[in-house]
Order: sequence, then C-alpha cells, then structure tokens
Amino acid sequence: DIQMTQSPSTLSASVGDRVTITCRASESVRSWLAWYQQKPGKAPNLLIHKASTLQSGVPSRFSGSGSGTEFTLTISSLQPDDFATYYCQQYNNYPYTFGQGTKVEIK
Amino acid sequence: QLQLQESGPGLVKPSETLSLTCTVSGGSVDFNNYYWGWIRQPPGKGLEWVGSISHSGSPSYNPSLKSRVTISVDTSKNQFSLKLASVTAADTALYFCARHHGSDSFDYWGQGTLVTVSS
Repeated sequence: DIQMTQSPSTLSASVGDRVTITCRASESVRSWLAWYQQKPGKAPNLLIHKASTLQSGVPSRFSGSGSGTEFTLTISSLQPDDFATYYCQQYNNYPYTFGQGTKVEIK
Repeated sequence: QLQLQESGPGLVKPSETLSLTCTVSGGSVDFNNYYWGWIRQPPGKGLEWVGSISHSGSPSYNPSLKSRVTISVDTSKNQFSLKLASVTAADTALYFCARHHGSDSFDYWGQGTLVTVSS
C-alpha cells in the first residue's frame, strides 16, 4: 500500500493567513492526488484533484501543487469557513489511501 | 444534482454482518466509467477506503478487509451495497458512500451513517 503522510497534523492560524499543508507519498503517485476538506460530522468535500485542478465551485484561494511524492495544498488567505480538517488522497493505485489529516485551528 | 444516501442498521452485534445500502438519485449507477465506493471513518480518526465497484459490477477491495467485504450493485434499484462480515468493535465507524470517475477522486459523497458494533 502507498502510505500518505501529511504535515503538520495540527496548524494554528488566523483569518487572513497564508496556510500550506504538505502531503508526502511513500512512492510516486504521479499527479493522481486529491485534497478534501472535512468539517465535524460531515462528508469530505473535494477541493483539488489531479494535484492542482480546482474542483468546480471551490474558491480560488485554494490551490494545489506537486507531483510524484510531494504535494502541497495552499490557502492564500484563510477565511472563517476554512477552519476544518484537510486530507490528501492518492488514487494512482488500489488500495486508495488517505493522509492522516491536518486540522486547521483558530489561533 | 447527484445525491447519495446511505441506509442501514446503526447497531450491529459483534461477529455479525454489517449491511449498508447507498441509494443514488439524480443520476444512474449504470453509467460508463463511474465507480461507486465505500469509505469509513472511525470516531475521531482518519479516512479508510473500503472498496469500490464499477457500473458493470466488478469490485475492488482494500486488502486489509478483503476477506470480509462484499460490494454489489443493483442497477434496477439504482443502489449499491456493502456487506462486512464478522464485525468487531474496530469496525465501528461513520460509513460514507461516494462516486469516483474511473481512476479519479471522490467527487460526490453521501452524508454518512454511523454504525456501532456492540452487544
């Protein structure tokens, strides 16, 4: 199985901050990587697919980059609605695997 | 707008079989190149892919669960289902159904249903 490791596990930030989350894969997943946002008790919401393609309807302050084994999710200016947990997921190979999550908290 | 809705018992006894159904509306499960999957999330923990099935009924399972999992699709009811046998407390989780397009990310999700394994 491909292991996905996110850092940091928790991030404290303020409204307006630029936030970056990193996801590393144990082997290359090419560009087959997605980012999701999840709020408590809710289903994950797809933000980015194919490493850098913004899903329809997702605000442009979210962006993704990377390929191979290292990826980043950037929120250019953190908004109140962005405090949530973020997951990366590889879909290069079955079994699909997720990172352990990064919780973005209010500073 | 595609919608997915999980249904099934919220409480299952240890050693029994967990059975969930996902009903799809606003679209068809019998559409080329779409896959229908199950993902679970234990309380306070991360996401785990359980398995997926193609519109034609070809399943793929997480090896960690493969011996206990069966996913099937019923095109006549526009539903797909999950069965997980011999459950233990470790199978207690929020179970989500979701859609993905071939080898792609999960773009539509159900709201999730909590299944507790307890006697």
